[in-house]
Amino acid sequence: DTAVSQTPKYLVTQMGNDKSIKCEQNLGHDTMYWYKQDSKKFLKIMFSYNNKELIINETVPNRFSPKSPDKAHLNLHINSLELGDSAVYFCASSRADRGTDTQYFGPGTRLTVL
Amino acid sequence: AQKITQTQPGMFVQEKEAVTLDCTYDTSDPSYGLFWYKQPSSGEMIFLIYQGSYDQQNATEGRYSLNFQKARKSANLVISASQLGDSAMYFCAMRENQGAQKLVFGQGTRLTINP
Repeated sequence: DTAVSQTPKYLVTQMGNDKSIKCEQNLGHDTMYWYKQDSKKFLKIMFSYNNKELIINETVPNRFSPKSPDKAHLNLHINSLELGDSAVYFCASSRADRGTDTQYFGPGTRLTVL
Repeated sequence: AQKITQTQPGMFVQEKEAVTLDCTYDTSDPSYGLFWYKQPSSGEMIFLIYQGSYDQQNATEGRYSLNFQKARKSANLVISASQLGDSAMYFCAMRENQGAQKLVFGQGTRLTINP
């Protein structure tokens, strides 16, 4: 009965590899997000999707490509991984795309690039 | 541009005492939402409490309450009767209803509850 789930929880990989993180929510929400938390714990939005449509695309390198096959899923694919990509990546969802809608977060994926 | 500031990098409190975590914000949007999240050492982000900019009363959720002072642009989190399990990072966040409509987080406050 997990609300927002992410796989994998940990990801250790070599520089230059391509990897994907999957996210699923069973809350019936319309909007999903990807956040990056750096080593200083600072959280910043990367992307948001509303009904499978890209709404927010922050200044993220185009090596990062989100894909939303349906409203319940938002995956993050990263090409040519770099050392600086090491971080915790959080998926989140909200009922709609309004400022008053609470965002619920997944457990996070800790990505380590060697 | 919207901005969230948490000025307390770390706080130490005795168990069973009340604690206030400070948060100030800046926005030109009259309609916005304010949120607090808890991140324990296990890493997950747990939603605690929400306050809308037009809400007349301060939000409360169990031992958590939000001291919302709109004119001062502050949204402090108050935890009553602190417990050891309250030790965690706490993040204040804001999202405007217009403008960029992004959830923007503060730097966080690390709260440690001492027995």
